[in-house]
Amino acid sequence: DVQMTQSPSSLPASVGDRVTIICRANQSIRNYLNWYQQKPGKAPKLLIYAASSLQNGVPSRFSGGGFGIDFTLTISSLQPEDFATYFCQHSYSIPLTFGGGTKVEIK
Amino acid sequence: QVQLQESGPGLVKPSETLSLTCTVSSGSISDYYWSWIRQFAGKGLEWIGRIHSSGSTNFNPSLKSRVTMSIDTSKNQFSLKLSSVTAADTATYFCARSLSSAAGEVQWDFWGQGALVTVSS
Repeated sequence: DVQMTQSPSSLPASVGDRVTIICRANQSIRNYLNWYQQKPGKAPKLLIYAASSLQNGVPSRFSGGGFGIDFTLTISSLQPEDFATYFCQHSYSIPLTFGGGTKVEIK
Repeated sequence: QVQLQESGPGLVKPSETLSLTCTVSSGSISDYYWSWIRQFAGKGLEWIGRIHSSGSTNFNPSLKSRVTMSIDTSKNQFSLKLSSVTAADTATYFCARSLSSAAGEVQWDFWGQGALVTVSS
């Protein structure tokens, strides 16, 4: 199975900060990597697919990058509504698996 | 836009079968792949499996022996059955849609709100 490891697990930040979350696979997954945002009591929301493609309706302050093993999700200027938990997910093979999540919280 | 809604018992006894249904509204169930994903209280997410509108399925190998999925296109519904449940199956269960099953193209763009299922006697 492809294992996904996210870091950090918790990220204290302030409004306006540039934040970067890292996701690492235990083998190359090309660019087969998606990012989701989840708020308490809600379902995950797709932000980025294929490592760097922005889902329709997602603000341009979100961006993704990487290929192979290492991937990043960057929020260029953190907004109040961005405090949430972020998950990566690979789509390379079955089983599809997720990273453990990164909680972006108020510093 | 497409809406998904999970339904089913919120409490299941150990060793029994968990059954959930996802109803798709404001959109067609045809030509898409429909997954079940669960989230544990510690927040970890686990993909359970998927079914296509044609009825073809793929499951997580870790759960394959206990999972059954079905689809009723006339009702715009698909269902999950997980047998021989234990407390470790306690989770929030989500249904979700993807356009493709091809490697690199599986992302879930619409999700249900989630259904908490507790396994307890």
